[in-house]
Amino acid sequence: EAGVVQSPRYKIIEKKQPVAFWCNPISGHNTLYWYLQNLGQGPELLIRYENEEAVDDSQLPKDRFSAERLKGVDSTLKIQPAELGDSAVYLCASSLRWDSYNEQFFGPGTRLTVL
Amino acid sequence: AQSVTQPDIHITVSEGASLELRCNYSYGATPYLFWYVQSPGQGLQLLLKYFSGDTLVQGIKGFEAEFKRSQSSFNLRKPSVHWSDAAEYFCAVGDLNAGNMLTFGGGTRLMVKP
Repeated sequence: EAGVVQSPRYKIIEKKQPVAFWCNPISGHNTLYWYLQNLGQGPELLIRYENEEAVDDSQLPKDRFSAERLKGVDSTLKIQPAELGDSAVYLCASSLRWDSYNEQFFGPGTRLTVL
Repeated sequence: AQSVTQPDIHITVSEGASLELRCNYSYGATPYLFWYVQSPGQGLQLLLKYFSGDTLVQGIKGFEAEFKRSQSSFNLRKPSVHWSDAAEYFCAVGDLNAGNMLTFGGGTRLMVKP
């Protein structure tokens, strides 16, 4: 069974440019998470989806970040415009459900560098 | 609000030596605790988890962790470290009331000397 797939794995852009990250969760997983991992730190939750509904986006900087999960499967995280401080690894994770401590499976992440 | 502290940013051990990585948590109710490992360029892999019951939990790759409520700790141990264990280790606490949100510690980078 394939794990969580993320693309691209690496992205280098100049500040003020837009960027998008894509995530394909494990088949059948209803819950999808996006985490931000700054260098030398643990991941921090940005947004959580239950199927296609964003049920927790309190940590998402909505002035420049947006996300969607059409049809409750794949998800896209976008930054527009990117700033220098957005350089980090963006991790996607999925789990069967949120309400019974099913394990979260993580993708390899997208490493973003903003110049 | 919950929090996780991993006091050791870097640890270096010799191959074959024992290992203990420290984790302290702050949480208002019964904690749900996890240890993840992250190799360079890889996602996080679950090593073990504690929900309830036996306070000594066994995980993959020969790791174990002990939950001590009185000390608010969930330390990770391995009796004999292999060179392939070199990686970053993260302790996390889960909040079922917040959609199973994980709060991670800052991580401990393990280096293994030959």
